Amino acid sequence: GAGVSQSPSNKVTEKGKDVELRCDPISGHTALYWYRQSLGQGLEFLIYFQGNSAPDKSGLPSDRFSAERTGGSVSTLTIQRTQQEDSAVYLCASSLGSGWVEAFFGQGTRLTVV
Amino acid sequence: TQLLEQSPQFLSIQEGENLTVYCNSSSVFSSLQWYRQEPGEGPVLLVTVVTGGEVKKLKRLTFQFGDARKDSSLHITAAQPGDTGLYLCAGESGAGSYQLTFGKGTKLSVIP
Repeated sequence: GAGVSQSPSNKVTEKGKDVELRCDPISGHTALYWYRQSLGQGLEFLIYFQGNSAPDKSGLPSDRFSAERTGGSVSTLTIQRTQQEDSAVYLCASSLGSGWVEAFFGQGTRLTVV
Repeated sequence: TQLLEQSPQFLSIQEGENLTVYCNSSSVFSSLQWYRQEPGEGPVLLVTVVTGGEVKKLKRLTFQFGDARKDSSLHITAAQPGDTGLYLCAGESGAGSYQLTFGKGTKLSVIP
């Protein structure tokens, strides 16, 4: 596709369940980011992948959060044992990975933990 | 931790008015981006500024990067209802770092 694609668009889950969020970046973009946007807050950095390098996981809020990127393309963000405070919009972005960062975002996944 | 402070947090103006949104930090950024986000969508890149003192114009939008590369402003002339949205600034800390720090945004409403 032409843009960054995220699925699902919306996810409602029960507290304690695991969820997987998917991101399909723009073809050829080597850099991929996950951000979290809570109501009234800015974008909170979660994790960054660049090519084959080890990901920067410094933004993951707890060990319940993990992410992987297979084959340098599609990425999955997994949240285990979800809590109500995990409710937010999870945004994925990709970038060429060279020169200045110019991020192209997906539409996000709105996660609601009930 | 690098922080970007945006002001004002909320802005409601009449169509045709001018406005300025500010993005300030105590840190130096190698580049700074402005994004616009509409409800239910991801942020969309408007502009990237990289040189201290740089001014870029995009139709009725004027973006300026501070001389010290610590702050930026977005000025909209003759605002239109289509300008309504959340304006976010984001800074890259160093060339090659590929880390973007975002401000909390300015929510703009332009009333017809």
